[in-house]
Amino acid sequence: DIQLTQSPSSLSASVGDRVTITCRASQSISDYLNWYQQKPGKAPKLLICAASGLHSGVPSRFSGSGSGTDFTLTISTLQPEDFATYYCQQSYNAPYTFGQGTKLQIK
Amino acid sequence: QVQLQQSGPGLVKPSQTLSLTCAISGDSVSRDSAAWNWIRQSPSRGLEWLGRIYYRSKWYVDYGTSVKSRITINPDTSKNQFSLQLNSVTPEDTAVYYCLRGQWLVRTLQYYFDNWGQGTLVTVSS
Repeated sequence: DIQLTQSPSSLSASVGDRVTITCRASQSISDYLNWYQQKPGKAPKLLICAASGLHSGVPSRFSGSGSGTDFTLTISTLQPEDFATYYCQQSYNAPYTFGQGTKLQIK
Repeated sequence: QVQLQQSGPGLVKPSQTLSLTCAISGDSVSRDSAAWNWIRQSPSRGLEWLGRIYYRSKWYVDYGTSVKSRITINPDTSKNQFSLQLNSVTPEDTAVYYCLRGQWLVRTLQYYFDNWGQGTLVTVSS
């Protein structure tokens, strides 16, 4: 199975900050990488697919980049509703796997 | 708008079978550009993909590595739903279980999860 490692595991930031989360794959996965946001008690929501494609309805302050083994999710200007946990997920092959998550907290 | 409604017991005894159902509205379990998945989430295992079914002139199924010997996912086209059965459960199977839709980007192999059920906390305990 392909392993995904996110860093950092947790992050404190303030409204208005620019934030970057990293996801590293255990092998090359081209651009088969998605990002999700999860708030407490809720199911994850798709933010980015195919490494850099913004999902419908997702604000443009979210962006993704990367290819091969290294990927990033960037939030350009943090809003109060962005404090949540973020997960990467590879769709290169089944079984599909997720990173361990990055919890974004208010500083 | 697609909605996935999960149902099933929240408490299962060790060694018994966990059974959950996911009813689909706004889409079809047999649509040929979608797949129907189960994922679970626990503090110890994080988000774990369990498996999926999809229809491409016939039914296909894929299962996750850790549960492959114990899991069955089935479609029910008459009720437009799909189900999860996990046999011989232990307390390690305690988790929030989600059903969800997977889709492929048009003309690519890019696959993503875009609609999730509400989640069901299943506790394995005597």
